[in-house]
Amino acid sequence: SAVISQKPSRDICQRGTSLTIQCQVDSQVTMMFWYRQQPGQSLTLIATANQGSEATYESGFVIDKFPISRPNLTFSTLTVSNMSPEDSSIYLCSAIPGTGAYEQYFGPGTRLTVT
Amino acid sequence: AQTVTQSQPEMSVQEAETVTLSCTYDTSESNYYLFWYKQPPSRQMILVIRQEAYKQQNATENRFSVNFQKAAKSFSLKISDSQLGDTAMYFCASGAGSYQLTFGKGTKLSVIP
Repeated sequence: SAVISQKPSRDICQRGTSLTIQCQVDSQVTMMFWYRQQPGQSLTLIATANQGSEATYESGFVIDKFPISRPNLTFSTLTVSNMSPEDSSIYLCSAIPGTGAYEQYFGPGTRLTVT
Repeated sequence: AQTVTQSQPEMSVQEAETVTLSCTYDTSESNYYLFWYKQPPSRQMILVIRQEAYKQQNATENRFSVNFQKAAKSFSLKISDSQLGDTAMYFCASGAGSYQLTFGKGTKLSVIP
């Protein structure tokens, strides 16, 4: 398994600003992902964070709005840029510890409110 | 592409009783995995149980077990001896190939004392 922490746990931001969310894993992992969970909804995958290369984005999500970095095998950041109230959500990061396994372990999430 | 369907938006169960949450899925992959995750009000996603599609035996983790019907593409979760701490959203998910997970919409389970 993997223990994942996220910072900040929550934030209230003004429209038009940006927020960077950090995700730290307690061990090296093969894959990391970022999800968005809107209130009362399921999880939607934003992108796969690739170590040393550009993230792979899902349909409806673009790099200019959600730039992602993954400088090493234990850390990733997601930035929510030029925020609007529609970006108010919980953002979760997850990781797969090893090869050949599919179960993902999740961080506690970041609750973002945009006013 | 994979799809996961949870047809029960909400369920309730008396403490100490047994409850079954339903999940159906569709996939074109021959090798895939199925999962149940729990998300309590604290919002931490917790892996409850996993099932490899190539295994015929149903997975069991303490009070949690699954009924995996591969031909019917059904993957239900049974919670025995329900406890107040089981109150949460439960998400069914499938994964294959690219390691990405596809989640269902979730079932909100309330355990009543």
